[in-house]
Order: sequence, then structure tokens, then C-alpha cells
Amino acid sequence: DVKVTQSSRYLVKRTGEKVFLECVQDMDHENMFWYRQDPGLGLRLIYFSYDVKMKEKGDIPEGYSVSREKKERFSLILESASTNQTSMYLCASRVGGTSSYEQYFGPGTRLTVT
Amino acid sequence: DQQVKQNSPSLSVQEGRISILNCDYTNSMFDYFLWYKKYPAEGPTFLISISSIKDKNEDGRFTVFLNKSAKHLSLHIVPSQPGDSAVYFCAAKLTYSGAGSYQLTFGKGTKLSVIP
Repeated sequence: DVKVTQSSRYLVKRTGEKVFLECVQDMDHENMFWYRQDPGLGLRLIYFSYDVKMKEKGDIPEGYSVSREKKERFSLILESASTNQTSMYLCASRVGGTSSYEQYFGPGTRLTVT
Repeated sequence: DQQVKQNSPSLSVQEGRISILNCDYTNSMFDYFLWYKKYPAEGPTFLISISSIKDKNEDGRFTVFLNKSAKHLSLHIVPSQPGDSAVYFCAAKLTYSGAGSYQLTFGKGTKLSVIP
């Protein structure tokens, strides 16, 4: 079974703090993704990475950055946390190529910025 | 501009009956569609998918229908069970190759409640 793990289930941070969200997958997947989920807005893509050290902006990259130094790990960084970044953050991965487009999700990190 | 739309935020169905969840899309360059199910405090899990070259795909109690001319797909769950109560997301993938082809565009979700 594919396993995607996220470093924290719940996180509370203060406005202006630098926040790191970590995601690790154990299936040697090439592609990894960060989404945020908000009520009434569904899942919105923040950033994705199609290979190590490669990254692409998603639909809502402002205020975020990412890092992928190793294939299994994809980090989301909030440079200076703000209250409007309070959300559920979901990491996902998928095998590269065109054999399958299914993404496997982690359990999510509920981030509260006060 | 929302390219994948789930116009019903919620749906209630009696146990044992059919649940029909709908999804509309606006971009004719989508060529692959997926349904995900999400319980509270968990990540979404993949349910079923369909390629644009097909009009139906079935997996147990779950069937997805695709009507390309109407840019509409639907997920049928028969029979519905209380454990099916969750939020269901429709997602779509664009045809073109390159980094963009790895993305999925998600709808806002429909919350299904199956009443015992």
C-alpha cells in the first residue's frame, strides 16, 4: 500500500512565524503535490514537484514555497504565516508517466495561525 | 474561473437506495476524470476513474458515467450504505503533456449523507 505521511496532524502557529510542513511518501513516486482544503472551496493546488529539485506553481502559490531535495520528501514552507493561511493542508504523490493519474493523499495537517 | 463544478454541496439518501453525485466541467481538454472520497480529518482516497475514450466504468457498487458532449459526469453508488457518508470530490486532468499534465483540477465537493 502507498503510504503518504505528514509530519503533524495539528499545528498552531503565530502570525509572522516561518512554518514548515513535511511530507514523506514510501512508494518511490516521482510526482508530489501540496493542496489546501477550505470549506466551500474544495482542494486547491499550491505547488507540485515532478522530480527531485523540480517544482511548479499551482493555482495559489502566493505566500508559500517548497523544497524537494530527496525523492521521498516534499516540504511546504510558509515564509511568514498569516491568519488567512489557517487551513487543512494535504500532501499527495503519484507515480510518474502516464500509467496512472491517481494521486495518493496523506492524512492532512490542520494548521491554525493566530 | 471554476473549470470543474459540483453544483450540489450536499445530498441525503436513504440506505439501500441509489446515490447520484454530479460533476460538470467546462474545459474540453480534460481527458481523464477521477472521483475521490474524503472522511473528516482524513486525506481523500481514490474511488474510481474514467478515461474520456469511455462512457462508463464500474467497480463494485460504484459506477461512473461520462457524457462528453454535455461535459458531465456522474457517480452512482448502489446500494448506498451509511459508511458511504463522506465528501466526494470530482477531479479532472488536462490532455496536454508537460509539467501541467500532472495536475488534477478538483471540484468543491458534495457531502453525501446516507440515512440508516
